[in-house]
Amino acid sequence: EPEVTQTPSHQVTQMGQEVILRCVPISNHLYFYWYRQILGQKVEFLVSFYNNEISEKSEIFDDQFSVERPDGSNFTLKIRSTKLEDSAMYFCASSAGQDNQPQHFGDGTRLSIL
Amino acid sequence: GQQVMQIPQYQHVQEGEDFTTYCNSSTTLSNIQWYKQRPGGHPVFLIQLVKSGEVKKQKRLTFQFGEAKKNSSLHITATQTTDVGTYFCAVRFSGSARQLTFGSGTQLTVLP
Repeated sequence: EPEVTQTPSHQVTQMGQEVILRCVPISNHLYFYWYRQILGQKVEFLVSFYNNEISEKSEIFDDQFSVERPDGSNFTLKIRSTKLEDSAMYFCASSAGQDNQPQHFGDGTRLSIL
Repeated sequence: GQQVMQIPQYQHVQEGEDFTTYCNSSTTLSNIQWYKQRPGGHPVFLIQLVKSGEVKKQKRLTFQFGEAKKNSSLHITATQTTDVGTYFCAVRFSGSARQLTFGSGTQLTVLP
């Protein structure tokens, strides 16, 4: 069964540094998402992406965050200047459609900010 | 902002007992999805409910969507140790926003 893949599985970064998290969505999916989950808490929506542009974003997704689809397969999340509170698990997800389709999640990248 | 409440936060059951988690919204929902997250894992889609009063079953799991489309429940009959994990509802509120809003989850522990 096709999967969403994310790299790296764990990223340790100094506060203030930039970090890029990478995702390869399922190949025939059109909608892509980033979520974050602080340890022990709920999954929080960050951003959705369709047709090479952001379709929705949450209040968490401020100017420090950006997303990009640099080629036909990768989908990246960049955090420009990391803060301690950015430490979390970041999940990428993709879906074939938007409203009535399941979202398929990757295994996540655990981001630790020191 | 719009929020969805999920209860209970934790549930410990003996293997073979039943389990129910509830998801409640103050505003009408467009649809609701349920996900399961095993410890250390990622959310895995279980089901989607769209219609008022809808009931769907998957083996020992029963999902219900309230008549007013403001609440939902997931019921597991005769729990097994493989049911361990956190169950999240994820909703879309009626209106223009199409993002999924996750509930806080119910962490299920099944004691053998």
